[in-house]
Amino acid sequence: QSALTQPASVSGSPGQSITISCTGTSSDVGVYNYVSWYQQHSGKAPKLMIYDVTNRPSGISSRFSGSKSGNTATLTISGLQAEDEADYYCTSYTTSNTLAFGGGTKVTV
Amino acid sequence: QVQLQESGPGLVKPSQTLSLTCTVSGASISSGGYCWTWIRQHPRKGLEWIGYIYYSGSTYTNYNPSLKSRLSMSVDTSKNQFSLEVTSVTAADTAVYYCARDRAPHGAFDSWGQGTLVTVPS
Repeated sequence: QSALTQPASVSGSPGQSITISCTGTSSDVGVYNYVSWYQQHSGKAPKLMIYDVTNRPSGISSRFSGSKSGNTATLTISGLQAEDEADYYCTSYTTSNTLAFGGGTKVTV
Repeated sequence: QVQLQESGPGLVKPSQTLSLTCTVSGASISSGGYCWTWIRQHPRKGLEWIGYIYYSGSTYTNYNPSLKSRLSMSVDTSKNQFSLEVTSVTAADTAVYYCARDRAPHGAFDSWGQGTLVTVPS
């Protein structure tokens, strides 16, 4: 069982917006602004999309945005495109000085 | 551009030691500032943080508590490589193993290797 909880799947039509939640506890998501999001296409390594809750690395589309409220972080993908179909994982730093991953969410366009 | 590449045996017998190396190019491990991390992904499953090693003159390691008793990580600055050893492996250690660079160390893995599948037969 993963330390962070994500929905197993989310779907949307091209052009729509979707959100993926990542629920933790007051020992991880709720206490640190150290949530990151990764996109993983089948057979490929994960790719960093968001770090420190809201920051986008250079080269990542502004269609991807992150936020956090309490113990839940959220990834929003706006203007959904076919290429966004992938698995998405969240991760958070914890009070145990470790990193926890979510179980992953399959996005279908 | 930073590149990471995992190498090591793809098949390890039960009870033996799994050994992997990650070769880094485009950045120097010895310059500090980053945590050099191992992550694995069991077949058709999610990601699991294994731990990291940090080098800046001396080394510091931080391991997943669930694996800590079987883990060892090291750095070879002359080859710009870092390594992972997992002892007493079982079929549950079968996974794709990734090396990655954490810019924080708060889980911001900005560069990844392509991953290498390690199989431990049951």
